[in-house]
Amino acid sequence: GPKVLQIPSHQIIDMGQMVTLNCDPVSNHLYFYWYKQILGQQMEFLVNFYNGKVMEKSKLFKDQFSVERPDGSYFTLKIQPTALEDSAVYFCASSPGTGGLNQDTQYFGPGTRLLVL
Amino acid sequence: GDSVTQTEGLVTLTEGLPVMLNCTYQTAYSTFLFWYVQHLNEAPKLLLKSSTDNKRTEHQGFHATLHKSSSSFHLQKSSAQLSDSALYYCALSDGQTGFASALTFGSGTKVIVLP
Repeated sequence: GPKVLQIPSHQIIDMGQMVTLNCDPVSNHLYFYWYKQILGQQMEFLVNFYNGKVMEKSKLFKDQFSVERPDGSYFTLKIQPTALEDSAVYFCASSPGTGGLNQDTQYFGPGTRLLVL
Repeated sequence: GDSVTQTEGLVTLTEGLPVMLNCTYQTAYSTFLFWYVQHLNEAPKLLLKSSTDNKRTEHQGFHATLHKSSSSFHLQKSSAQLSDSALYYCALSDGQTGFASALTFGSGTKVIVLP
């Protein structure tokens, strides 16, 4: 089936530094999402993105977070500066949004495990 | 806000036995329910979805029926296989921003199927 790729799979970074998490969504998908999962807790929505703009964001999407997808390349989540509480698994997802039975189905990547020291 | 509750954190069962995972939800808006399955070190994958009240949905031997009267979307399988060992997430979309709405996830149920 459709695959979403995430690079890197693991990242260790010092507190205060900047980190960029990369997502290669399913080709031709129009909607993109980031979710955060702290160890032992449930996955929580951060943000969704369409046509170059943030559509909706949660209270977890702090001012230090930003997303973009320049020129149809990777969909990225940037955290600057990082904090200890940013340690989590970050999942990217994409959905078609073009009509049809699966327009609302979100396809997930395997996650990037971020550890902030 | 929206919430999804999965009461079992861990389910351990023997191959060939039936399995049922509970999912209840709360939302004040439209109701789209999903079950995702995540095998070790893999991405969560959609297993089932429904927005139709009292209609059974089936895929890969699993089935679930959305019951809006009881706010439930329990996942069932009549005979578990070893390959069903995985993490199962119930999720809700309230449709507030159309079909690209955020998913609210439950805490997940880890299923271990023993030979």
